Amino acid sequence: NAGVTQTPKFRILKIGQSMTLQCTQDMNHNYMYWYRQDPGMGLKLIYYSVGAGITDKGEVPNGYNVSRSTTEDFPLRLELAAPSQTSVYFCASSSQPPPTGNTIYFGEGSWLTVV
Amino acid sequence: DAKTTQPTSMDCAEGRAANLPCNHSTISGNEYVYWYRQIHSQGPQYIIHGLKNNETNEMASLIITEDRKSSTLILPHATLRDTAVYYCIVRTQGGSEKLVFGKGTKLTVNP
Repeated sequence: NAGVTQTPKFRILKIGQSMTLQCTQDMNHNYMYWYRQDPGMGLKLIYYSVGAGITDKGEVPNGYNVSRSTTEDFPLRLELAAPSQTSVYFCASSSQPPPTGNTIYFGEGSWLTVV
Repeated sequence: DAKTTQPTSMDCAEGRAANLPCNHSTISGNEYVYWYRQIHSQGPQYIIHGLKNNETNEMASLIITEDRKSSTLILPHATLRDTAVYYCIVRTQGGSEKLVFGKGTKLTVNP
């Protein structure tokens, strides 16, 4: 089973460049999330989506945009990369929102460095 | 958001039980307690969750106090591969679907 797949795994960006982190899941989950994790820190929620066409901000949305045109895909876009966005990014999905009992599945992570 | 408090780090000897505490004193009646762990450089992994009863699965046991203000995750026979950061999470209030992680507990299992 593929589960949650993120690409790319590693990327180096120059300040001011743009890029999109791709995330796709094959479990037909309605709920999808993007987190970032800075070194030695916990995960911070950037954006989340409760279904196709619906997205909402998390704790740290500034500098990012998302879209959810299909159930499977939830790309995260960085418009003007800044060094503060150097982090590991995790995409996740679940079939129902917490706390109804369903688990959240995470991707393997995307390491992004902005120089 | 309902907040959780966990110790920053803990140590455990291999083969012994690891007991990881979590305080969630502002938890609401319909909020579940979830535990995840993150092994270095990997995505978080689901361990267990519960509402008010104690729960057990193949990975761990979850003990929730009667007043639900705290819980303990128990790894009955810790191995070196259980070295990870363990996150205790409760659902945020207000009908939100957000799932907010704290800083977690760094568990080190020593040989």
